[in-house]
Amino acid sequence: AQTIHQWPVAEIKAVGSPLSLGCTIKGKSSPNLYWYWQATGGTLQQLFYSITVGQVESVVQLNLSASRPKDDQFILSTEKLLLSHSGFYLCAWSRRLGGSSAETLYFGSGTRLTVL
Amino acid sequence: GQQVQQSPASLVLQEGENAELQCNFSTSLNSMQWFYQRPGGSLVSLFYNPSGTKHSGRLTSTTVIKERRSSLHISSSQTTDSGTYLCASTNAYKVIFGKGTHLHVLP
Repeated sequence: AQTIHQWPVAEIKAVGSPLSLGCTIKGKSSPNLYWYWQATGGTLQQLFYSITVGQVESVVQLNLSASRPKDDQFILSTEKLLLSHSGFYLCAWSRRLGGSSAETLYFGSGTRLTVL
Repeated sequence: GQQVQQSPASLVLQEGENAELQCNFSTSLNSMQWFYQRPGGSLVSLFYNPSGTKHSGRLTSTTVIKERRSSLHISSSQTTDSGTYLCASTNAYKVIFGKGTHLHVLP
């Protein structure tokens, strides 16, 4: 069975400090990977997606960056946090289908980020 | 850009009543998905439903692509159904979520 693990579970960081959030998928080769962000009381927004190692596409610009260093790993980071980065970050995976489409999304448990 | 509208924004039911949640999307898409978001924020996939009707226990999802809508029916609601229900439309690798329906089921 496939499992998705996000780390850390929660972070409290200062404005201007760096951030790195991680996501690992086990039991599934070549998954599509996604990062989402949700402000408190807000709508889930897709930030990035990746369909293969080394390739990441940006969907929403929030002064964040993402990388996929391994097939099963997706990293979200920034060198300088803003207050507006606070919220809930979710990583997700889906199976790769033929052509340019995706299938059911499976989400990790998320990381709650508070920027002070 | 692509938009997803959910209705109602919130709903209060007595236990045992049925609920009908709606989702409308603005552009053509590949699929529609329904999720339940737990109070802590994590998401549970309920349905992946690109078209037609699917059933899972007391839940039924119906998607009519030509009319750009999808619905989630909850029958005989229970207090444990309380929470936020999200629909999401997928166009290639871009997934757009609605704002959700906040359901509260009273005992």
